[in-house]
Amino acid sequence: DAGVIQSPRHEVTEMGQEVTLRCKPISGHDYLFWYRQTMMRGLELLIYFNNNVPIDDSGMPEDRFSAKMPNASFSTLKIQPSEPRDSAVYFCASSPRTSGGADTQYFGPGTRLTVL
Amino acid sequence: RKEVEQDPGPFNVPEGATVAFNCTYSNSASQSFFWYRQDCRKEPKLLMSVYSSGNEDGRFTAQLNRASQYISLLIRDSKLSDSATYLCVVPTRGFGNEKLTFGTGTRLTIIP
Repeated sequence: DAGVIQSPRHEVTEMGQEVTLRCKPISGHDYLFWYRQTMMRGLELLIYFNNNVPIDDSGMPEDRFSAKMPNASFSTLKIQPSEPRDSAVYFCASSPRTSGGADTQYFGPGTRLTVL
Repeated sequence: RKEVEQDPGPFNVPEGATVAFNCTYSNSASQSFFWYRQDCRKEPKLLMSVYSSGNEDGRFTAQLNRASQYISLLIRDSKLSDSATYLCVVPTRGFGNEKLTFGTGTRLTIIP
């Protein structure tokens, strides 16, 4: 059974370039989450979707970041323009639904982004 | 107090020993808690959920102290494969699993 799939696994780009990260959640999961992990700040929630609808984007650092979920099997996180301080590991996670809301979150392998 | 606070370690423990580390949380209304494990350069994976006073799964025991607002993780008969970073996780709003606050992690190394 395939887990959460992310691409690319590694991305090196130059400051000012547009970066697009992709995620395919586990089939049947209603929730999708985007996280960023750095040594200084740990793992931070950026945005999450429920049934393809963005519910909470309060963690998105600034307008340079945007996320979309056009259908239940695909989501993107875009950074435009990218800056060196955006260098981090970006994780996508998905979760099935329970009567109380989201259940256990399953993480993808992450995209390691380096902005030069 | 930070929402979730952990001793970053590192904890260097000989194989076969018992090790325990704590995590403190600030939201007294929190109802559920989680320990995630993250191997070096890998994604976090759920290790245990804690909904009441504690939970046990094989060599791993998680205990909850609501009065003092801390959760502990105990690992008995530690194995080399237990070497990882352990993340304490608490629902940001105190309930619901949609928004989770992750601690910065406790790094554990098991020494042969």
